[in-house]
Amino acid sequence: DTGVSQNPRHKITKRGQNVTFRCDPISEHNRLYWYRQTLGQGPEFLTYFQNEAQLEKSRLLSDRFSAERPKGSFSTLEIQRTEQGDSAMYLCASSSMGGAADTQYFGPGTRLTVL
Amino acid sequence: EDKVVQSPLSLVVHEGDTVTLNCSYEVTNFRSLLWYKQEKKAPTFLFMLTSSGIEKKSGRLSSILDKKELFSILNITATQTGDSAVYLCAPNRDDKIIFGKGTRLHILP
Repeated sequence: DTGVSQNPRHKITKRGQNVTFRCDPISEHNRLYWYRQTLGQGPEFLTYFQNEAQLEKSRLLSDRFSAERPKGSFSTLEIQRTEQGDSAMYLCASSSMGGAADTQYFGPGTRLTVL
Repeated sequence: EDKVVQSPLSLVVHEGDTVTLNCSYEVTNFRSLLWYKQEKKAPTFLFMLTSSGIEKKSGRLSSILDKKELFSILNITATQTGDSAVYLCAPNRDDKIIFGKGTRLHILP
């Protein structure tokens, strides 16, 4: 399968714990995006990378959230000191170049439940 | 502030009916508009629209963009139960997609 992959698919954690998610983009894509989606809402942009550089981070993103893409390939999203409000589906998407001709392709998501 | 409004939010029709889903948007530095279909998983890409008035078609689905009126529609003809999903409109600005809340479409057999 050459699509976007995410691990784990599901994560249940207790409030206050740290969690880390991984995203492997489509191999030739240089842009990688993270989104969060809650029930009844469209995906909400969190941050994105071009190669290893983090180009933009949502103003809504708490300091407890951090993302990396150290070698310009896979990316990790870490949430520290999780809160119940962090429960959501975390989606990763990748694209080839950016610009008007670009399309983002999504992974299956990681569903986080914070108890 | 960027805004994407989809209507209706929810729609229930019978198999075989034709539906039209609407999307109005206000985004700065608009580049393109994307439509996605989301079932119980991640969104899957349907269309990307960059020019006004040029209809994109894929089987029973079609879409068109009006950049002057800041509006797009997605049509589905001869609907099937497999079309039941949430349809997301997503303007692309500065390579960042802004999603609407989606239209939840349910097709009755």
